[in-house]
Amino acid sequence: DAKTTQPTSMDCAEGRAANLPCNHSTISGNEYVYWYRQIHSQGPQYIIHGLKNNETNEMASLIITEDRKSSTLILPHATLRDTAVYYCIEDNFGNEKLTFGTGTRLTIIP
Amino acid sequence: NAGVTQTPKFQVLKTGQSMTLQCAQDMNHNSMYWYRQDPGMGLRLIYYSASEGTTDKGEVPNGYNVSRLNKREFSLRLESAAPSQTSVYFCASIPGGRTDTQYFGPGTRLTVL
Repeated sequence: DAKTTQPTSMDCAEGRAANLPCNHSTISGNEYVYWYRQIHSQGPQYIIHGLKNNETNEMASLIITEDRKSSTLILPHATLRDTAVYYCIEDNFGNEKLTFGTGTRLTIIP
Repeated sequence: NAGVTQTPKFQVLKTGQSMTLQCAQDMNHNSMYWYRQDPGMGLRLIYYSASEGTTDKGEVPNGYNVSRLNKREFSLRLESAAPSQTSVYFCASIPGGRTDTQYFGPGTRLTVL
């Protein structure tokens, strides 16, 4: 079973920042938080991951709370192409088996 | 560099028929995975192979067999297809033992009548 909790769906206006929350209250000290997204029926695409510190790359930013029980994925300037299902996943370092839940369906509104 | 490729893209089977889904990657990755995704659901791991010559069960292995033919190829076989196996099947690979980035194939859409 997925160990993370995400809202089923969210809307965001085009050009605005999309903030996608994730709860992972049972995360252990050596587990990373990963974000993937799946556009339409394509294979999932890696976005970003982090352990304790906030992370940023060319696609998004990841904000992890100090107690590590939750995190937020931020798409700074959402475009229509960001419409997708976003998955937040815990990963045990050395454990190669990612568990995908049902994710958040993000719809970018023109 | 084609990444992860899967064949076929679409397949329709009758109950009881068998088939093999093929997956290949040209990135010299060590680990490969097979997932299934039912409508409106997340991905569920069927089998994975941490390295050439090894395979392990995932969350939903029943009804499937796998074969890691070499480092590049990882096949998934349905010996006797059932309607419950109607799904989209994704293959993925990662460079080494750490899942920092999984690379996914385009998927195979399988319908079992």
